[in-house]
Amino acid sequence: GDSVTQMEGPVTLSEEAFLTINCTYTATGYPSLFWYVQYPGEGLQLLLKATKADDKGSNKGFEATYRKETTSFHLEKGSVQVSDSAVYFCALAGGTSYGKLTFGQGTILTVHP
Amino acid sequence: NAGVTQTPKFQVLKTGQSMTLQCAQDMNHEYMSWYRQDPGMGLRLIHYSVGAGITDQGEVPNGYNVSRSTTEDFPLRLLSAAPSQTSVYFCASSYLRTGGSYGYTFGSGTRLTVV
Repeated sequence: GDSVTQMEGPVTLSEEAFLTINCTYTATGYPSLFWYVQYPGEGLQLLLKATKADDKGSNKGFEATYRKETTSFHLEKGSVQVSDSAVYFCALAGGTSYGKLTFGQGTILTVHP
Repeated sequence: NAGVTQTPKFQVLKTGQSMTLQCAQDMNHEYMSWYRQDPGMGLRLIHYSVGAGITDQGEVPNGYNVSRSTTEDFPLRLLSAAPSQTSVYFCASSYLRTGGSYGYTFGSGTRLTVV
């Protein structure tokens, strides 16, 4: 079946540092890939997505590129802010996950001033 | 446009009690699904539906029932609550467009505690 593996957390950074959160996946076919963010006490918000190989999703300074050759969708941001502190989830849909999302375990990000 | 509405937001149950978590969407999405979120385990799929009258099990279906009599509603029933079902529950609705583009909308969640 389909699966998503995220880098282990938690991740702690200083403000303005560079962020990378690794995400790799296993799926048949051509899944769509997503990053979701969950701020403390809130639900999930879509951060960005990509639907085919070499697509780059971007939003709020975050970027991720769909790499089919390495089955990866790493999340990056050049300069993090305290307000980026949250839990980040990588997810996929499609492949054998028709109509439903398969999530990674989540990465807790804490940004200090 | 309300999106996905979940009720209640918080619930405390005693072991053995039953209850229904409600989920409704007003976007005419074909797909709906229920997830539970536990610390360190991400979100795991409980049940999902690809249309009215069609449901299927996800990764962790035991102890839960669903039905989908209308496109809008997808209630989740806990048959006999157990402490292991203490979790945060999220409902989502989604669509698939030509070309393989998915869109998902999540509800705000139900925090359930079973004592």
